[in-house]
Amino acid sequence: GAVVSQHPSRVICKSGTSVKIECRSLDFQATTMFWYRQFPKKSLMLMATSNEGSKATYEQGVEKDKFLINHASLTLSTLTVTSAHPEDSSFYICSARGSVGNQPQHFGDGTRLSIL
Amino acid sequence: DAKTTQPPSMDCAEGRAANLPCNHSTISGNEYVYWYRQIHSQGPQYIIHGLKNNETNEMASLIITEDRKSSTLILPHATLRDTAVYYCIVRVQNTGNQFYFGTGTSLTVIP
Repeated sequence: GAVVSQHPSRVICKSGTSVKIECRSLDFQATTMFWYRQFPKKSLMLMATSNEGSKATYEQGVEKDKFLINHASLTLSTLTVTSAHPEDSSFYICSARGSVGNQPQHFGDGTRLSIL
Repeated sequence: DAKTTQPPSMDCAEGRAANLPCNHSTISGNEYVYWYRQIHSQGPQYIIHGLKNNETNEMASLIITEDRKSSTLILPHATLRDTAVYYCIVRVQNTGNQFYFGTGTSLTVIP
């Protein structure tokens, strides 16, 4: 089946650091990629939707200057958490889908971000 | 916002069929129902999806009611590895085709 690779799987860094997370579709062209955030024992919360070559669309309440999304190619999207603080600590998950009709989204295995 | 409601938790005996219900009473005519599951600290895994006909694959069966207001995911012979949170999702029909996750059902398969 379709594979989405997310890197890194875990990152621990100091407050004030910016952290970049990569999401790659390995065997299909991802015209749309999505970024989610998940707190412990909670469901996934959609942060933003990005289409290749255009600006991301952010969900209400998500700071676009805090969470920078780039989707420069059909196989790669990046999420940069700028000037991260402890409250940004969370599990970040990306997903991707192709352009054909009712295709499902395929998810990466997530990135555990811990800000000290 | 999620367009589905699911029971928060269920238990199932190992080897028995697990039947997970989902209510999506506001579903539109061209919206598909998708099922995913998430094992702790991993990304969601795609299981199956359907529009109005029942679907079956190597993982599960999906039964959609005739009025499409509810569906049931069936794991025919549950194993301990099927313990996970199961999400039923109706995809938003717009240019973004986003998924909004509800709270899901935490399935525990009991030995």
